[in-house]
Amino acid sequence: GAVVSQHPSRVICKSGTSVKIECRSLDFQATTMFWYRQFPKQSLMLMATSNEGSKATYEQGVEKDKFLINHASLTLSTLTVTSAHPEDSSFYICSASTGLTGTYGEQFFGPGTRLTVL
Amino acid sequence: GENVEQHPSTLSVQEGDSAVIKCTYSDSASNYFPWYKQELGKRPQLIIDIRSNVGEKKDQRIAVTLNKTAKHFSLHITETQPEDSAVYFCAASHGYKLSFGAGTTVTVRA
Repeated sequence: GAVVSQHPSRVICKSGTSVKIECRSLDFQATTMFWYRQFPKQSLMLMATSNEGSKATYEQGVEKDKFLINHASLTLSTLTVTSAHPEDSSFYICSASTGLTGTYGEQFFGPGTRLTVL
Repeated sequence: GENVEQHPSTLSVQEGDSAVIKCTYSDSASNYFPWYKQELGKRPQLIIDIRSNVGEKKDQRIAVTLNKTAKHFSLHITETQPEDSAVYFCAASHGYKLSFGAGTTVTVRA
C-alpha cells in the first residue's frame, strides 16, 4: 500500500517552455501533498505544501508564479514549471500524506522527475 | 522553523563494521523522526522511524535512538554490507512538514 507515482520520470525541454509534472497517490487518498526539489549531492528542499481544493503554501524563496501547483483531487497534484530556465534543472520529487491524526507526518514519496532545461 | 543538522557528511566503513549517523534538531515540538536511504536517481526510502514517545527502535541491523532532552537522534547500522552504500537522510517533523538533514554518503568497502 501507500504507492505514489510521478509522471514523467524524465523530461528535457527548451528554455522558456513550461513543463507539467503529475503526482498521483494510487491506493490511498492524500489530503496533503508536498513538492521537493533536489539538486545534485544535496538534500531535499521543500518547495510547497498543497491540500486538496485549496491554494498551495510555498516555502520562502520559492516563486509561486513560476512553480504552479494544483491539487484538484485527493489523488492528484500537479507542478507546472513555467518559463523554465537551465537553473530550474533538477530532480523534483513529490510526496503524499494521509494527514490522519496520529500518523506523525508520515510521507510517501514518488519516484521523482528529472528535469533538464536546455 | 525546524533546523536539522546531520553528521558526518561522508562515512566510509569496512564491510561488517558498524556505521553511526547523528542528527540534531531545533524545534522541541518535533515528534516524528524518520530516516531515509536514497540511491542515485531514486526516491528516498523510509528505512526506520521513531516517534517522540519512544527512546529506541530496532529493525534487524538498523536501530535508531532518540534523546528528546538533548534534541538529537542517531542511526546505527550493524554488520554493514555493500548494499548499504547510499546516501542517508534524517528528518524531523512537527505536524506533517518534514525538515531534512543534509545527508550522509555511506560507502561500505568490501
